Amino acid sequence: SQKIEQNSEALNIQEGKTATLTCNYTNYSPAYLQWYRQDPGRGPVFLLLIRENEKEKRKERLKVTFDTTLKQSLFHITASQPADSATYLCAALYGQNFVFGPGTRLSVLP
Amino acid sequence: DGGITQSPKYLFRKEGQNVTLSCEQNLNHDAMYWYRQDPGQGLRLIYYSQIVNDFQKGDIAEGYSVSREKKESFPLTVTSAQKNPTAFYLCASSISGLNYGYTFGSGTRLTVV
Repeated sequence: SQKIEQNSEALNIQEGKTATLTCNYTNYSPAYLQWYRQDPGRGPVFLLLIRENEKEKRKERLKVTFDTTLKQSLFHITASQPADSATYLCAALYGQNFVFGPGTRLSVLP
Repeated sequence: DGGITQSPKYLFRKEGQNVTLSCEQNLNHDAMYWYRQDPGQGLRLIYYSQIVNDFQKGDIAEGYSVSREKKESFPLTVTSAQKNPTAFYLCASSISGLNYGYTFGSGTRLTVV
């Protein structure tokens, strides 16, 4: 079965820097990749979707890339702020449904 | 405001007891989903429904049941057959089609006592 891997270690960065989170998938390339933000004790919130034939997608301070050669998606937050601290989930579409990764916890230090 | 409402926020279940988690949405979304989240693991799909009166098993459906009698509602029953039900349960909905993200509820934390 398909597996989505995200760095299980928390990522700590300084305010104002760019945060980069990684999502790796095994075997077949998914048709779509989604990124979500999840705060403790809350449900995930949808951020961005990127299709297999798109290299890059942007939304305000967020940027997502999709590299089918490396089997990887990168999620960037530029000019990071303490309010960006959360867990970020990657989800890949296989068949009809999305397979979610375990998430990476990001802490932006003031 | 449109959204998904899950209730209760916290639920305690005794051994051998069935419990039902509520999920209601007013977004007019066709598709609804139930996920289970455990620490250090990705969300795992329990059941999903693309249309009223129809639903499909996800990856971990054993010990769970659902119904979809109304478009707005997709309740999940955790039966006594589910041996390890302690988890955070998330309900989601989406517009039909794959170009859209999911809208999640705020979750129900179920604990076996």
